[in-house]
Amino acid sequence: QKEVEQNSGPLSVPEGAIASLNCTYSDRGSQSFFWYRQYSGKSPELIMSIYSNGDKEDGRFTAQLNKASQYVSLLIRDSQPSDSATYLCAVNKARDKLIFGTGTRLQVFP
Amino acid sequence: SAVISQKPSRDICQRGTSLTIQCQVDSQVTMMFWYRQQPGQSLTLIATANQGSEATYESGFVIDKFPISRPNLTFSTLTVSNMSPEDSSIYLCSVQGQGNTEAFFGQGTRLTVV
Repeated sequence: QKEVEQNSGPLSVPEGAIASLNCTYSDRGSQSFFWYRQYSGKSPELIMSIYSNGDKEDGRFTAQLNKASQYVSLLIRDSQPSDSATYLCAVNKARDKLIFGTGTRLQVFP
Repeated sequence: SAVISQKPSRDICQRGTSLTIQCQVDSQVTMMFWYRQQPGQSLTLIATANQGSEATYESGFVIDKFPISRPNLTFSTLTVSNMSPEDSSIYLCSVQGQGNTEAFFGQGTRLTVV
C-alpha cells in the first residue's frame, strides 16, 4: 500500500462545475495535510493546508479532512480552465518530511 | 513565504560527469529538502539537508551519488555524481519551518543527461 494515494486521472470537468479531488493516506500518525498545484513544467505551489478534522475554505477552494477514515479531499468550486493542472496531496510524517501522492491531473474544459 | 532561488534552471550534461545544483533562501529556514521528479511522476524525497552535519538520505539514495552540503541556514547544494541518462529528471529544493508547517519549492532544475 502506498503511503499517500491519489487517482491519477485525468479528471475532466466543465467550466463552472465543482472539481472533487481525493487522497487517502496510510499512516494514522500523520498530522498535517497539504494540497499543491503543479502546472506543467513548473514547481509545486501550495494552495491549501489543513490540520484538523472538518472543512477549511479559502476562496474557491475547500479542503476536507477525516482522520478516522484517513482521507483528505480538495473541492474546487466554479472551476476555470486556468485550474487545469496536476494536484498533489502531501502528508506530514515524523521528522517533518512531506510524503507526496502521485497527483491527480485535472482538466477543465470550456 | 520565503523566496527560494535555485540554479541552474536547466542543464544538459554528458554521462559520467557531475552537476551541482544550488539553492539559496532569502531568510533562515530550519528544514531544507531535495526532491526528484522524474518525467510524468510525483515527487520523491532524496534527502534532508542538515545544517552542520551529514544529510539524511531516503531509501534508495546514497551520499556517494547525491552528496549534499548545507553550510548555513540559507544555502544548500545537491550534486548529482557520475551521471547516467536515468538521472534525467527535475530536481527541486524545498524549505519548511520547524514542525508541521508548509513546504515551499524552488523553481527546479531540469537535468538532461546525454
